[in-house]
Amino acid sequence: DQQVKQNSPSLSVQEGRISILNCDYTNSMFDYFLWYKKYPAEGPTFLISISSIKDKNEDGRFTVFLNKSAKHLSLHIVPSQPGDSAVYFCAASGGNDYKLSFGAGTTVTVRA
Amino acid sequence: DAGVTQSPTHLIKTRGQHVTLRCSPISGHKSVSWYQQVLGQGPQFIFQYYEKEERGRGNFPDRFSARQFPNYSSELNVNALLLGDSALYLCASSPPDLGGYTFGSGTRLTVV
Repeated sequence: DQQVKQNSPSLSVQEGRISILNCDYTNSMFDYFLWYKKYPAEGPTFLISISSIKDKNEDGRFTVFLNKSAKHLSLHIVPSQPGDSAVYFCAASGGNDYKLSFGAGTTVTVRA
Repeated sequence: DAGVTQSPTHLIKTRGQHVTLRCSPISGHKSVSWYQQVLGQGPQFIFQYYEKEERGRGNFPDRFSARQFPNYSSELNVNALLLGDSALYLCASSPPDLGGYTFGSGTRLTVV
């Protein structure tokens, strides 16, 4: 039962433009959402998170938006850089359950 | 400051064999979680240990077991290996408030 879904397996964007990654979830108990970035042969690296009491969180070039009514979140990367080429995972946790439920990931390719 | 360290980095085993994967958390982190990432999918939760006690178990067969030692390091054991156990096994540690997971680089297990 996939509770976190990333429906776009890949995204190609030109350097300097905005990258928008989307994530949907089904579990209403989720109250904490995270984005991780993964390079080949490395573990996931934490990027940014958002609590369900907020609808936006910003950290440098990265902004996460949360729409609780739609059970949808998105990650905006502005401007996109070649080093941003990686797999991005959306993850969620909720209540007293500290495990993370991950989406399948979106592979971002930033073109020069 | 050392991050989460996992050993070995790569491993090849034969069907039916047993494997032990090891993880050392970040100093001061008392929680260790294990995840399995199959190619093309997001990481799937296997176990979480906190203060040497199992806090959670994912939907994995009893062939999978784990333990946490007094120094908070952890082992993941898999018995009677199947071809489908081939995956990247990730360990994550988190501080006492159980937020802020940091992942290791993983152990790539290939079952032949």
